[in-house]
Amino acid sequence: DTEVTQTPKHLVMGMTNKKSLKCEQHMGHRAMYWYKQKAKKPPELMFVYSYEKLSINESVPSRFSPECPNSSLLNLHLHALQPEDSALYLCASSYTDRGNEQYFGPGTRLTVT
Amino acid sequence: QKEVEQNSGPLSVPEGAIASLNCTYSDRVSQSFFWYRQYSGKSPELIMSIYSNGDKEDGRFTAQLNKASQYVSLLIRDSQPSDSATYLCAVSLAAGGGNKLTFGTGTQLKVEL
Repeated sequence: DTEVTQTPKHLVMGMTNKKSLKCEQHMGHRAMYWYKQKAKKPPELMFVYSYEKLSINESVPSRFSPECPNSSLLNLHLHALQPEDSALYLCASSYTDRGNEQYFGPGTRLTVT
Repeated sequence: QKEVEQNSGPLSVPEGAIASLNCTYSDRVSQSFFWYRQYSGKSPELIMSIYSNGDKEDGRFTAQLNKASQYVSLLIRDSQPSDSATYLCAVSLAAGGGNKLTFGTGTQLKVEL
């Protein structure tokens, strides 16, 4: 089973709202990732968690705040977003953070109004 | 210079033909290579991984890696209309761990009846 789940599937939020994206995997993977993908572009890495600790932050604005409550869960807290943050947000996981296959969830389609 | 390069396409092949997708990368110490398939509006799906020089076959798919030439390819035999998608090449750069994937911009494949 290589399933990564994400909720919600779609999210519309105003620029003053606070919302959270959730990601879950039960494959025993110890690395989890957030990516952002704009239309007709490849995914862009935002954050990497390895063994529940943040290991990479790709200079993401502070209005995006990741959290890893345990080895199966990954959250992305959103606050004061801009319309240009509208995108598909993808969660992925891999066995470790050492070059293993990454499996993506279905994504959350975010629209900021 | 882009780190991972792909021809954006579209690459059109007739049903039943072999589709050949190519990717070059710039970092010589890259160690892990992946092909993802992405249907429009969906998340990337891992279809092949390859770590050492040579060919790796899985069903109708064959990945080929040539580290000396910094080249990785994907062959799809007996192409079907359902193979029509964007194919993303991804490379795990040996940059202190973190399993940081760098994606190419993707090649759009169209399989015509």
